[in-house]
Amino acid sequence: DTAVSQTPKYLVTQMGNDKSIKCEQNLGHDTMYWYKQDSKKFLKIMFSYNNKELIINETVPNRFSPKSPDKAHLNLHINSLELGDSAVYFCASSQDSAYNEQFFGPGTRLTVL
Amino acid sequence: AQTVTQSQPEMSVQEAETVTLSCTYDTSESDYYLFWYKQPPSRQMILVIRQEAYKQQNATENRFSVNFQKAAKSFSLKISDSQLGDAAMYFCAYRSAFMNTGFQKLVFGTGTRLLVSP
Repeated sequence: DTAVSQTPKYLVTQMGNDKSIKCEQNLGHDTMYWYKQDSKKFLKIMFSYNNKELIINETVPNRFSPKSPDKAHLNLHINSLELGDSAVYFCASSQDSAYNEQFFGPGTRLTVL
Repeated sequence: AQTVTQSQPEMSVQEAETVTLSCTYDTSESDYYLFWYKQPPSRQMILVIRQEAYKQQNATENRFSVNFQKAAKSFSLKISDSQLGDAAMYFCAYRSAFMNTGFQKLVFGTGTRLLVSP
């Protein structure tokens, strides 16, 4: 059974388009995250949600809007895509404790042409 | 803000040999957690090992162990009896233990690519 799933796994689109990435976890966790991995493999937190409430927003452009309809889902919508948005986006989840492992999804490779 | 530094962009090891990956971090906090994650070519992020800062004993998971030096803010990963399947990117990560400093997020280093040759 997949613990953290993301769709789609690959996304190729044109500059200026709007796209969404979906994330679902079946682990019963109460905290979910979006991370961005750039072309140099650097991973950085974008957002964190706890029980559907936004906890962390790490100076991400407001073209990026996360939405958490319930505890098990955290979607990422991106408006007016730019070349620099090309990256791998990872969703993750964990129980709300610093000790607990964050479980990562398989990643979505976004390519903006 | 906390930072994590991995000074080795790439390391090589032969099968069955031992390799150590370096990680240093900067923080003013007294309590935190440190992690090593593995990212194989499949892209999946896999937790290898974790260490609680308040524990002096170094964590061990089978062939993986850490050398945690709190005063030096150093957290290296030792892989013994290296296997071809260990080839991957390895990321060191820091997580605060305190809610008011964003304990929910992992702060990652830039990664070390480990190559394993037969």
